[in-house]
Amino acid sequence: SQQGEEDPQALSIQEGENATMNCSYKTSINNLQWYRQNSGRGLVHLILIRSNEREKHSGRLRVTLDTSKKSSSLLITASRAADTASYFCATDEEPGGTSYGKLTFGQGTILTVHP
Amino acid sequence: DAGITQSPRHKVTETGTPVTLRCHQTENHRYMYWYRQDPGHGLRLIHYSYGVKDTDKGEVSDGYSVSRSKTEDFLLTLESATSSQTSVYFCAISESGGRQPQHFGDGTRLSIL
Repeated sequence: SQQGEEDPQALSIQEGENATMNCSYKTSINNLQWYRQNSGRGLVHLILIRSNEREKHSGRLRVTLDTSKKSSSLLITASRAADTASYFCATDEEPGGTSYGKLTFGQGTILTVHP
Repeated sequence: DAGITQSPRHKVTETGTPVTLRCHQTENHRYMYWYRQDPGHGLRLIHYSYGVKDTDKGEVSDGYSVSRSKTEDFLLTLESATSSQTSVYFCAISESGGRQPQHFGDGTRLSIL
């Protein structure tokens, strides 16, 4: 079953605008991760945010996590044409100390940035 | 980029034939994963490994088996391929399981006719 539900399914913006993607999940998590996938390629890790963290930044990326609402958002500021890709959230749900990394992925948001 | 090589990159085969996909890593990471990616489903975990000869099932393991005889290689086998197994298959590795990011190969596009 899909833990993460992403919204919107597709987003089209102009270069320089900000892009916001949302992810909701159903169960308790250890962490939530965001990945990018360019067409025909594998996924590339962007940010990992742990369940006890509320916000993380990496360059033009900002991720927030609200465990009370079971939701996360990815903000890309000042977008570029090169940001055009699919973006996925993934949750690590395993309780306890050992986590095998059995990630559950959302269906993704397709972002198109027009020059 | 993490050293992950998937082979073959593309394969077309017929229903009922056995198929083996290979994932090779040069990072000496303990954890390895096989996912399939289908439209409308995102990525779904098939099997994973947490060490040599240590493997377990994921969400969609029916019809698939895996083996890991060396740290660097993780094989995915479809014993008797079916058309429902047409998909893009991704291998991923992780240094320490769920606490760290996963690094993905570029995928194998498998078509079963």
